[in-house]
Amino acid sequence: DVKVTQSSRYLVKRTGEKVFLECVQDMDHENMFWYRQDPGLGLRLIYFSYDVKMKEKGDIPEGYSVSREKKERFSLILESASTNQTSMYLCASSFGARSSYEQYFGPGTRLTVT
Amino acid sequence: DAKTTQPTSMDCAEGRAANLPCNHSTISGNEYVYWYRQIHSQGPQYIIHGLKNNETNEMASLIITEDRKSSTLILPHATLRDTAVYYCIVRLPYSGNTPLVFGKGTRLSVIA
Repeated sequence: DVKVTQSSRYLVKRTGEKVFLECVQDMDHENMFWYRQDPGLGLRLIYFSYDVKMKEKGDIPEGYSVSREKKERFSLILESASTNQTSMYLCASSFGARSSYEQYFGPGTRLTVT
Repeated sequence: DAKTTQPTSMDCAEGRAANLPCNHSTISGNEYVYWYRQIHSQGPQYIIHGLKNNETNEMASLIITEDRKSSTLILPHATLRDTAVYYCIVRLPYSGNTPLVFGKGTRLSVIA
């Protein structure tokens, strides 16, 4: 069974802290994505990666960075957390461009920045 | 990707079929229709996709009109666990490395 896991379901951090959100997939997928979801705004793409060490900015990359050192792992980094980054963060993965089209999502991390 | 229009919310009695409509009048000839759902506090889940023929899997059926301007997702025997937000997405094939664009979706409430 396909699986995308995220390091935490709930996280509380203070303003200014550096925050790491980890995502791991066990399906040997090339592509990985980080979204955030906020009430009334739907899912918005932060960053995505189509290969190891490759990354592309999404719609709202400001205040975030990413790292993909291994194929199975994609990390989202909040360099200096702010209260407007309180949100649900969702990781997803998919096969490469020439095969399956569906994205598989992790359970999400609900981050609260105080 | 073509834009989609879905009703904001729908109710369905438990055990009955849930029919969720989606309009995609600007769909191009090689774009597929995808359906995802998101149960409260969980990540979105892929349900089904199709191009022009009707499709069925263990979760649902997808009916696409002949002109492809609209489609209907059918959950044949809705259960309380099917209560979720359902998203209809239109996108090109061979686009696995591009992000999904989710609209507002339809909030389906299955009622006992």
